[in-house]
Amino acid sequence: DGGITQSPKYLFRKEGQNVTLSCEQNLNHDAMYWYRQDPGQGLRLIYYSQIVNDFQKGDIAEGYSVSREKKESFPLTVTSAQKNPTAFYLCASSGTGHNYGYTFGSGTRLTVV
Amino acid sequence: SQQGEEDPQALSIQEGENATMNCSYKTSINNLQWYRQNSGRGLVHLILIRSNEREKHSGRLRVTLDTSKKSSSLLITASRAADTASYFCATGGSGNTPLVFGKGTRLSVIA
Repeated sequence: DGGITQSPKYLFRKEGQNVTLSCEQNLNHDAMYWYRQDPGQGLRLIYYSQIVNDFQKGDIAEGYSVSREKKESFPLTVTSAQKNPTAFYLCASSGTGHNYGYTFGSGTRLTVV
Repeated sequence: SQQGEEDPQALSIQEGENATMNCSYKTSINNLQWYRQNSGRGLVHLILIRSNEREKHSGRLRVTLDTSKKSSSLLITASRAADTASYFCATGGSGNTPLVFGKGTRLSVIA
């Protein structure tokens, strides 16, 4: 079945540690996105990529980094520079151009311990 | 930047009743989409309405779009307990700009 897979489902980060969240899709979608969701704040865009080897910053990119070496994969690294990383992280993919809905993964809940 | 704003923030209804959620946005759009999110899960795409459309149906869902008022509504008819979730509107702008999501409406359907 086609879909988008995020792993791990739960992740715990110590202070000063970098962690990487995985996002893989087999939908042959060109575009991929990372959103952060905090309680009561909806979804905020971190980074997005519309083609391999290219990506753009979203509204809250500081403290995060991404890569897009393969069409299927768009990992997100939460660096030690991100001072408040505890949140629910959602990856999505879509076709490019107008009028495409997004397919979301099931999310990764990151907690700082 | 938060474009869409849903209203109400929370809604509680009895099973069988209709649920209406509204979304207002600020800038011009190419399309508006509605998504559902069950607690602790990813979002699921429900319906997309283009800027030149006024109404769209999908099963028990009815979406309207009024571009002159920059607003949309999502109607769920004959609601079920399984409809309990958060509902988000998202707006798509020009070119390939990513969707901008609102803060959502939490719907509780009581059996």
